[in-house]
Amino acid sequence: SAVISQKPSRDICQRGTSLTIQCQVDSQVTMMFWYRQQPGQSLTLIATANQGSEATYESGFVIDKFPISRPNLTFSTLTVSNMSPEDSSIYLCSVEAPRAVETQYFGPGTRLLVL
Amino acid sequence: AQSVSQHNHHVILSEAASLELGCNYSYGGTVNLFWYVQYPGQHLQLLLKYFSGDPLVKGIKGFEAEFIKSKFSFNLRKPSVQWSDTAEYFCAVKKSSGDKLTFGTGTRLAVRP
Repeated sequence: SAVISQKPSRDICQRGTSLTIQCQVDSQVTMMFWYRQQPGQSLTLIATANQGSEATYESGFVIDKFPISRPNLTFSTLTVSNMSPEDSSIYLCSVEAPRAVETQYFGPGTRLLVL
Repeated sequence: AQSVSQHNHHVILSEAASLELGCNYSYGGTVNLFWYVQYPGQHLQLLLKYFSGDPLVKGIKGFEAEFIKSKFSFNLRKPSVQWSDTAEYFCAVKKSSGDKLTFGTGTRLAVRP
């Protein structure tokens, strides 16, 4: 498996502001993903973070709202822009482990509350 | 689009009871199947997975799951639950290499001591 850390672990933000979430992995991985888990709901994929190119977004998610960076094979950031209370959620980073192809592991998540 | 259904949203059991959580998926082709668990206050962990071969797979902590292709199902089982199994359980399906992981809505399990 891979060890994944996320910062911050939680935050309370005002509407209209932006928050950048960091994801760090202890080994080089090709595939990194960002998910959202809204209260009482399942996980929804926001985008796939591609190293060296733009992220690939799922239907309903756009780059202007959720810009993603992937500067190298161990790090990615997700920014939640111009936040509203509807963005209150847990945001999770996930990677496909290098020695467990097709298997995804998840970080501890960032719990975001927007007031 | 593929979908994953977990019909039991909340399950309450007493310790030592047997557990079976249902999972059905909609895609008819080859799939990779997963069960993840999220203990209270902890992050999502992989419980077990099925790619091919023996349709009965064993995971951590005494859990197992059976893939029944004809029923598009991948039910999770444990013969005797413990209080420490209290958690939320997610079934997930991936169609093929490079495709995204689709999650079910999750089942909250509460085990009474």
